[in-house]
Amino acid sequence: NAGVMQNPRHLVRRRGQEARLRCSPMKGHSHVYWYRQLPEEGLKFMVYLQKENIIDESGMPKERFSAEFPKEGPSILRIQQVVRGDSAAYFCASSLGTGSIDGYTFGSGTRLTVV
Amino acid sequence: AQKITQTQPGMFVQEKEAVTLDCTYDTSDQSYGLFWYKQPSSGEMIFLIYQGSYDEQNATEGRYSLNFQKARKSANLVISASQLGDSAMYFCAMREMRQGTDKLIFGTGTRLQVFP
Repeated sequence: NAGVMQNPRHLVRRRGQEARLRCSPMKGHSHVYWYRQLPEEGLKFMVYLQKENIIDESGMPKERFSAEFPKEGPSILRIQQVVRGDSAAYFCASSLGTGSIDGYTFGSGTRLTVV
Repeated sequence: AQKITQTQPGMFVQEKEAVTLDCTYDTSDQSYGLFWYKQPSSGEMIFLIYQGSYDEQNATEGRYSLNFQKARKSANLVISASQLGDSAMYFCAMREMRQGTDKLIFGTGTRLQVFP
């Protein structure tokens, strides 16, 4: 029973390039969440998605960031024209969406470094 | 607005001793959930324990227990018989789940160091 799979584990991008982070939820989970952790800080909510729908994107920066969770395939967090301040750990979580405590699981994260 | 406060940036404890990590929260919701996560130096987020706002008994999971005081809005994590492997960052979080959103709000974390 595979958990939440995130790839790549580490990603290095030059300023101005695009970063694509992928997240495959746990089997049976249709709700996906993205969080960002800046160095020495706690996790901050970015976006909550269900299949083909963005439910809450109140934590997403207004520019350069986008997220999707298509009918088929993983959820993608896309950062265009990356800047040094985007360097962070990006975590994906998935859940059953029912409020069940057993259904909220984090992936191992993607560490993005912008050089 | 929902808020989680962890006032201890760092804590030290000797191996085999118990330690309490503090967490207070602020919410106007009647129904909410409180989580504790461990983040070792390898970076992954490990779920430790959960307390629902309507749960009458404090949650326990092995060496972890949650001291839930609803009137004081506190949800402290107690780790009994500390082990060297408990050295990590610990985050308290509250789940905000209502129409139009479902998210965890995290505190700033407490770095626990266990020494022999």
